[in-house]
Amino acid sequence: AQSVTQLGSHVSVSEGALVLLRCNYSSSVPPYLFWYVQYPNQGLQLLLKYTTGATLVKGINGFEAEFKKSETSFHLTKPSAHMSDAAEYFCAVSEAGRTGANNLFFGTGTRLTVIP
Amino acid sequence: DGGITQSPKYLFRKEGQNVTLSCEQNLNHDAMYWYRQDPGQGLRLIYYSQIVNDFQKGDIAEGYSVSREKKESFPLTVTSAQKNPTAFYLCASSIWGLNTGELFFGEGSRLTVL
Repeated sequence: AQSVTQLGSHVSVSEGALVLLRCNYSSSVPPYLFWYVQYPNQGLQLLLKYTTGATLVKGINGFEAEFKKSETSFHLTKPSAHMSDAAEYFCAVSEAGRTGANNLFFGTGTRLTVIP
Repeated sequence: DGGITQSPKYLFRKEGQNVTLSCEQNLNHDAMYWYRQDPGQGLRLIYYSQIVNDFQKGDIAEGYSVSREKKESFPLTVTSAQKNPTAFYLCASSIWGLNTGELFFGEGSRLTVL
């Protein structure tokens, strides 16, 4: 069974500081990994994804994440936070090779606050 | 512009009433989904549909019903049997079969039971 753990339901950073949002997953087979972003009262938008190939993936708005199999992690980073980054971020995992809507599992989310 | 449209954005309901949330997509996606979002609980799958006239229960289907008569439309009815319906509801769609995990979301409908 797959699961996702996001450490820290709330993270605050100063504008210009490094953003680090943590995600650990559990999967018995090679995973596909995703980060979604949700702005207040809106739906989710795909930020970046890892399926195969390069383990460091770049997404929109300057975010990137690195798949570390040995650590079962997929942490999201951005070198310099901007006020517009304030949102809720969701990590998700699915099982490679399988189809099905019930094959995508979301973490409980991390709310990022950016302090001016 | 292609996308997913949910309506209404805000809805108030009295206890004991059924309400229907609309979801329409023009992305030509086969699969559509309904999720419920509560603070601190992430997204939970209510129902999903892979093709027209077929749908499957997700993790929390009790008290909800859906239909998929057209590829573009996947309405969700929150029935009076749903004991705690106040939540943010998200509709999503995807290409079926690629298993990319990329879902396209609507902007959500916030339901409040008075």
